[in-house]
Amino acid sequence: QSALTQPRSVSGSPGQSVTISCTGTSGDVGAYNSVSWYQQYPGKAPKLIIYDVALRTSGVPDRFSGSKSDNTASLTISGLQSEDEADYYCCSYAGSYIVVFGGGTKVTVL
Amino acid sequence: QVQLQESGPGLVKPSETLPLMCTVSGDSIRVYYWGWIRQSPGKGLEWIGNIYHNGNIKYSPSLQSRVTILVDPSKNQFSLRLTSVTAADTAVYYCARCHYFGQRLEPDYFDYWGQGIMVTVSS
Repeated sequence: QSALTQPRSVSGSPGQSVTISCTGTSGDVGAYNSVSWYQQYPGKAPKLIIYDVALRTSGVPDRFSGSKSDNTASLTISGLQSEDEADYYCCSYAGSYIVVFGGGTKVTVL
Repeated sequence: QVQLQESGPGLVKPSETLPLMCTVSGDSIRVYYWGWIRQSPGKGLEWIGNIYHNGNIKYSPSLQSRVTILVDPSKNQFSLRLTSVTAADTAVYYCARCHYFGQRLEPDYFDYWGQGIMVTVSS
């Protein structure tokens, strides 16, 4: 199982929207709705923000949304805020009880 | 409130075995999967493996020849052993709680994470 593919970085101005893609295969992202997204600040543990493709964890602002089409999942941050500057990782179930993460995307707020 | 705490050596010599422990509080380890994930400096997250309280285990194919994960329900702990370590195993190691779905109890997402423990492999 290979890592899921994410862009290394995305950026946007405050108030804008950014979308992070997470591309897998028909054996992982395309096969299951077990796609999750994690936000990580430097020196901190990852924090679950989206699970099961589009469900937000309690307390996560509704400007964070998740979706999936075929083998690609996406995380959209609408109304970008300075505190959204962090690293974001996608994760998917890949069958046979195996889990795979994406390489991570650094979001920069300009 | 569910809390996970990793413990173990911060420095391991090359070719030796890395032993880590994760202590769970605020929840019974007899529910959910429990997993290990690591992050090399400046790199992304890498899944190492998951264990269920009944001992069902799955390891990352890239690490399975060197990894052992065990669970001790009586102590609400689970452990990681990584053998024959090299500098490439230098990383922050996280333990996490993993939800599952379906009747086959397939892994879903990690909702609670430990703070992580930095392990350096060096002589």
